[in-house]
Amino acid sequence: DTAVSQTPKYLVTQMGNDKSIKCEQNLGHDTMYWYKQDSKKFLKIMFSYNNKELIINETVPNRFSPKSPDKAHLNLHINSLELGDSAVYFCASSQVPPSKLGEQFFGPGTRLTVL
Amino acid sequence: KNQVEQSPQSLIILEGKNCTLQCNYTVSPFSNLRWYKQDTGRGPVSLTIMTFSENTKSNGRYTATLDADTKQSSLHITASQLSDSASYICVVNRITNAGKSTFGDGTTLTVKP
Repeated sequence: DTAVSQTPKYLVTQMGNDKSIKCEQNLGHDTMYWYKQDSKKFLKIMFSYNNKELIINETVPNRFSPKSPDKAHLNLHINSLELGDSAVYFCASSQVPPSKLGEQFFGPGTRLTVL
Repeated sequence: KNQVEQSPQSLIILEGKNCTLQCNYTVSPFSNLRWYKQDTGRGPVSLTIMTFSENTKSNGRYTATLDADTKQSSLHITASQLSDSASYICVVNRITNAGKSTFGDGTTLTVKP
């Protein structure tokens, strides 16, 4: 009965490859997020979708493209992977945005290593 | 600039002892402040959420305080346990329609037997 799940948990790949990370939530939430946590443990928001519509798009390279086929899924596709993309990527969801006291639930994370 | 600063960066205490973690912020206009616990290899888990009008909120052995005037918050852990070893992240949200949160870089707590 995992609330927010991500696959894969670990991803090791070569520079220049294209890869995808999948996220699913079974909480019935309307809003989903992607965060990047680098080696310094700093969490940074990348994207946020509300009911399949993009509402936050931080300054990330356009090699990163989120896709939300339905409101329970938010996948992250990364083209032409670079060394600096190595990090842990967290998916999260909430019923309402955090500014409105929405409780955010995080997935277990996907550790991406680019060689 | 909207920022969240946490201190100390890391802390080691003995099991059974109390500790206090600090969070100072400049995020404005303020909506709410959250404390999260992040175990190694896992996603953050919410401990407390506090709004402007709340001074104290408890969750078991965790007690968060908020002084909205001085823009400071603390997380007090009572009678620490080995399982409290984790990173504790302070997050502040603005009054906006978007979901942009400002994260602190966390305090790593190690509880030793």
